[in-house]
Amino acid sequence: QQQVKQSPQSLIVQKGGISIINCAYENTAFDYFPWYQQFPGKGPALLIAIRPDVSEKKEGRFTISFNKSAKQFSLHIMDSQPGDSATYFCAAGGGWGKFQFGAGTQVVVTP
Amino acid sequence: KAGVTQTPRYLIKTRGQQVTLSCSPISGHRSVSWYQQTPGQGLQFLFEYFSETQRNKGNFPGRFSGRQFSNSRSEMNVSTLELGDSALYLCASSLDGGQNYGYTFGSGTRLTVV
Repeated sequence: QQQVKQSPQSLIVQKGGISIINCAYENTAFDYFPWYQQFPGKGPALLIAIRPDVSEKKEGRFTISFNKSAKQFSLHIMDSQPGDSATYFCAAGGGWGKFQFGAGTQVVVTP
Repeated sequence: KAGVTQTPRYLIKTRGQQVTLSCSPISGHRSVSWYQQTPGQGLQFLFEYFSETQRNKGNFPGRFSGRQFSNSRSEMNVSTLELGDSALYLCASSLDGGQNYGYTFGSGTRLTVV
């Protein structure tokens, strides 16, 4: 049972373009929303995270937008680079050590 | 600073056997969480340990168990292996169950059940 729904499943973007990945959650008790980046053969790595009292957070080329009333949040990758080609997971947590992850989005950035 | 170490990296087992996977968290991290990653189901939470106590458990059968030692190292065990247990098992280390600083994941143990 997927409590965090992530879309799209995959996307292809040209170098310099914007990648947008969306997630929706159900449990209003969730209060921490991280995004992870995973390269083949590696474990996921924390990219950026947000709490519901903030509507947007930016770190470099990565921005999270958060809509508490809609229970949705999204990751924007600006000026996408070939090195950004990876699988991205959103997650939501509301208690120690128990997170719900999205199914993942495979991003391919073409030169 | 050493990362999260998982051993072994790859494992092939036969149906019905049991397996033990090991995880050494980042020094100073007392919380260790385990996740199962499969192409169809994504990352599914197995359990989380903090200071040798299991704090949370996911919706997996009792064949999946774990423990944490006084040095924070953790092991998970799967008994009576089934073909569907084939997956990447990820260990995640954190200070606080990932609630403020997220997780640091290991590279995982790839388990194949034949």
